Formats: sequence, structure tokens, C-alpha cells
Amino acid sequence: QKEVEQNSGPLSVPEGAIASLNCTYSDRGSQSFFWYRQYSGKSPELIMSIYSNGDKEDGRFTAQLNKASQYVSLLIRDSQPSDSATYLCAVNKGGSYIPTFGRGTSLIVHP
Amino acid sequence: DAGVTQSPTHLIKTRGQQVTLRCSPKSGHDTVSWYQQALGQGPQFIFQYYEEEERQRGNFPDRFSGHQFPNYSSELNVNALLLGDSALYLCASSLPQGAETQYFGPGTRLLVL
Repeated sequence: QKEVEQNSGPLSVPEGAIASLNCTYSDRGSQSFFWYRQYSGKSPELIMSIYSNGDKEDGRFTAQLNKASQYVSLLIRDSQPSDSATYLCAVNKGGSYIPTFGRGTSLIVHP
Repeated sequence: DAGVTQSPTHLIKTRGQQVTLRCSPKSGHDTVSWYQQALGQGPQFIFQYYEEEERQRGNFPDRFSGHQFPNYSSELNVNALLLGDSALYLCASSLPQGAETQYFGPGTRLLVL
């Protein structure tokens, strides 16, 4: 089992829809969870971090964490073509400041 | 406020050669981490430098080495290049207390022929 798993996609949604990106992780002691956005040919950009069970909202983005199920998700409301990118899930295992990344999910928002 | 900078942006080398990549951290940051990102994969942690010492290392061979200078800038050296070393090399900087939040530079794309 990979430490951080994501469906590579692509996930295709129409403009204005909600995009739902999912991530599971294997280490139960993980404490910190991050979502990065990476445009093609560019470096990752941090968009959300979450540390506690539940939802965390920032603008059109909502991160959801369920530690019991070892599951973290990212919802993007009112998706725009400019949201088309690869979304990387990153998890810090317990006691570590080094994130382990999933392979990313490619999101395509079509007009 | 200057962000993380890396040089060069692109590099082409041949097998067996050696390469040095450079990184300057975001202003106020003193911890630098290096990652390798192969096409279609997430970044893989190589090592982290703090106070001019390697603080933590990922699962990479000794061909990968690094250095941090007193001004917190850092170098990544790769010896005896292999075709499989072709990747985007990312530098990320962070604060030691807030080290969980990492800020990435634009990366250096290395092609080994």
C-alpha cells in the first residue's frame, strides 16, 4: 500500500460544477495534511492545509479530513477553467516535518 | 519579498556527468529541502538542510549530496548521472518552527541524455 494514494485522473468537470478530489493515507499517526496545486511545467503551490477532523473552508476551496477513515479531500466550488491543474495531496507522518506526496490528480475544467 | 529562487531553469547533461543545482530560500527562511519530481509523479524528498547540516534524508543514493551556506542558500549535487535522474528538481524553504509549511521554488528541469 502506498503511503499517500490519489487517483491520477483526469477528472473532468464542467465550468461552474463542484470538483471533488480525494486522497487516502496509510500512516495513522499522520498529523498534518496539505493540498498543493501544480500547473503544467510549474512548481507546486500550497492552497490548503488542515490539521483537525472536519471541514476547513477558504474561498471556493474546502478541505475535509477524516482521520478515522484516513481520508482527506478537497472540494472546489464553482470550478473555473483556470482551476485546471494537477492537485497534489501531501501528508506529514507523525513526528515528521517532511511531507509525503501522492502522485497527484489531474483536473480538467471544461467551458 | 523575494520568494524561493533556483538556478538554472533548465539543464541538459549526458550520462556519467556531474551537475550542481542552486537554491536561495524565501526571505526569513533558514531551512531548505530538495525534491525530485519525475514526470507524472509527486515530488520525492531527497534531503533537508538546516544550520548548514543535513537534518533528514530520503531514500536516495549517495550520488546525491548537498550543501547549505551561511546565508541559507543551498546546492544539490548529483554525480555519475543516470538517465533516470531526468526530472524536475524542486527546492522548498521553510521556517524551523513552521517547517510544515513549505514554499517551493520554480524548479530546475534536468534532462540526462
